[in-house]
Amino acid sequence: AQSVTQLGSHVSVSEGALVLLRCNYSSSVPPYLFWYVQYPNQGLQLLLKYTTGATLVKGINGFEAEFKKSETSFHLTKPSAHMSDAAEYFCAVTDSWGKLQFGAGTQVVVTP
Amino acid sequence: SQTIHQWPATLVQPVGSPLSLECTVEGTSNPNLYWYRQAAGRGLQLLFYSIGIDQISSEVPQNLSASRPQDRQFILSSKKLLLSDSGFYLCAWRAAGSTDTQYFGPGTRLTVL
Repeated sequence: AQSVTQLGSHVSVSEGALVLLRCNYSSSVPPYLFWYVQYPNQGLQLLLKYTTGATLVKGINGFEAEFKKSETSFHLTKPSAHMSDAAEYFCAVTDSWGKLQFGAGTQVVVTP
Repeated sequence: SQTIHQWPATLVQPVGSPLSLECTVEGTSNPNLYWYRQAAGRGLQLLFYSIGIDQISSEVPQNLSASRPQDRQFILSSKKLLLSDSGFYLCAWRAAGSTDTQYFGPGTRLTVL
């Protein structure tokens, strides 16, 4: 069965510093992987996704993630944090039935 | 382009009262539709999904039910709310036959008192 593990339920970064959110997955089929962002009291917004092809994917708001099959990882990065990046971030993998399995989420706090 | 709507945005209901949350999608046909719940500290929980009218699967036994009276309309209901039904309810859609992106609605904040 597919599953997703996000390391760290809370991450605090300084404005201008690197943002790194870790995601590891397990999957019995070639995975489709996603990162979503959620601002308070809003729905989830797609940041980026990996389906096939290039393993380094770029998303909105300056985020990118790299699919590493050997490490079963899909870590999310942004070179320079902005105050507007404060939100909760979810990693997800599609299972063999097409349903999304979400990680528990990582709350990002950006400090001035 | 496709859009997804949910209403109401917020709802406060007493224990034992009924519930009806509505989700509609525009700009696509025969979408797959999903209901999720976010309860405090519990992440995202898939409640129901539907691949077509009258084709609804329940993921978790609970006090809730779902219906799909029209192709692009998905309704979440309860006959008698429990305190534990409080949470943030999210509807999502995906293109039919796809295992690609799910797109989420703005959500409904339900508080049961």
